[in-house]
Amino acid sequence: SQTIHQWPATLVQPVGSPLSLECTVEGTSNPNLYWYRQAAGRGLQLLFYSVGIGQISSEVPQNLSASRPQDRQFILSSKKLLLSDSGFYLCAWSRGQEDTIYFGEGSWLTVV
Amino acid sequence: AQTVTQSQPEMSVQEAETVTLSCTYDTSESNYYLFWYKQPPSRQMILVIRQEAYKQQNATENRFSVNFQKAAKSFSLKISDSQLGDTAMYFCAFFTPYGNNRLAFGKGNQVVVIP
Repeated sequence: SQTIHQWPATLVQPVGSPLSLECTVEGTSNPNLYWYRQAAGRGLQLLFYSVGIGQISSEVPQNLSASRPQDRQFILSSKKLLLSDSGFYLCAWSRGQEDTIYFGEGSWLTVV
Repeated sequence: AQTVTQSQPEMSVQEAETVTLSCTYDTSESNYYLFWYKQPPSRQMILVIRQEAYKQQNATENRFSVNFQKAAKSFSLKISDSQLGDTAMYFCAFFTPYGNNRLAFGKGNQVVVIP
C-alpha cells in the first residue's frame, strides 16, 4: 500500500532563518506531489505541485520554493522565513490527474 | 476559476444521530470530481468520500453518503449513526483534470459529536 510521510511534525523558527520540510511517498512511482498551506481557521491553499522530477509549478508568488530531487521526494524550502509563513503545511500525492489526492500528517510551522 | 462554498460554520450532533453538511460549487466543466475530507484535531486530512461527476449514483462509504445534484451544483454529506470519532472539520473539495491540478477547497464545517 502507499504511504506518505512528512517531517518535521513541528517546527519553531525565528524570522529570517531558513526552512526545509521534507516529504516522501512509498509504494508508488511517478506520483504527482503537492504542497498545501492551511492558515488558522481557513481552508487549504495550494503552494506547489509537481508531475515529475525537476518539474515544479508554483501557484502563489512568495518567498517559499519547492524541489523534487527524486521521484518520490518533495521538499519545501525558504531562505528567509517571514512571520506570515506560519501555518500548517501539508504534503500530498496522487497517482494522476484524475485520481484522489492523499495527504501526509502535516507540519506545524511557527515563525517567531 | 472553480469555487466551493460551505455555509454552516459549526454543527453539533448527538451521538448516534444523523447530520448533513451542505456544499455548493461553481464550475463550467462537465468532467470533475468531488470529495469530502475530514480533518480531526490531529490535523491530518483524511479522505471520507469521492464522487465522479459522470456517475449519477450517489457515493456511499459505510456511514457516510452524499447527495449529488449535478444540475444544482450541490454536494451534501450525510453522516449517519454519528460517533465521537466523527468530531472534526469537514472540507468539501472540487477537482477537474482540465485545471492546473488544483484541488479547490471550501472553508470547512466543524462537526462536534456530543455523547
